[in-house]
Amino acid sequence: QVQLQESGPGLVKPSQTLSLTCTVSGDSVSSTSYYWSWIRQPAGKGLEWIGRIFPSGSTNYNPSLKSRVTISIDTSKNQFSLKMMSVTAADTAVYYCARVHSSGYFHWGQGTLVTVSS
Amino acid sequence: QSALTQPPSVSGAAGQRVTISCTGSSSNIGAGYDVHWYQQVPGTAPKLLIYGNNNRPSGVPDRFSGSKSGTSASLAITGLQAEDEADYYCQSYDSSLSGSGVFGTGTKVTVL
Repeated sequence: QVQLQESGPGLVKPSQTLSLTCTVSGDSVSSTSYYWSWIRQPAGKGLEWIGRIFPSGSTNYNPSLKSRVTISIDTSKNQFSLKMMSVTAADTAVYYCARVHSSGYFHWGQGTLVTVSS
Repeated sequence: QSALTQPPSVSGAAGQRVTISCTGSSSNIGAGYDVHWYQQVPGTAPKLLIYGNNNRPSGVPDRFSGSKSGTSASLAITGLQAEDEADYYCQSYDSSLSGSGVFGTGTKVTVL
């Protein structure tokens, strides 16, 4: 059974860069059967797709976040990561990493709360 | 603005049947992308309920069923139980957003 665990600072100052890592166990991020995504959810609000990365390193991003977001993959550590630049209070949310099946559905990590505040 | 629209809330008595609609467009559901459904209990991560429009993962009760037609999809819950009280989200992809994933606006199910 695959497990995904998000990690990173829970508090980020405005204008700084948010950095999160997802550690995968029970599967390989190099597997060609899946790809990997980040999703976020502000408190009391809905889900927002941030982007995805394929084992090849190819990426796609939400157009509304594309200018600030980078997703990368580290096959040696079996991890993938999210970096979001120039954060504001609007980026405060629970951030989820997920494994994505080829038909497009998600298997979720437990999520991690990131608060943007000075 | 979400690409997929759901009713904010639905409610029903225990044992009843409720349905949740997920309305999209010709660039997402209508373009042939599969629709998936998730259940989220507050404070926890979403859980896959239906994948590929109408398939239930192992362990999901057959009280839950999904369907898709045209530019919309639906989730039905029959024999509503207290434990079904949660938020439900549909999910697909959108060609007008460079193939980005898109979620529904979410529906709160209340068991009366």
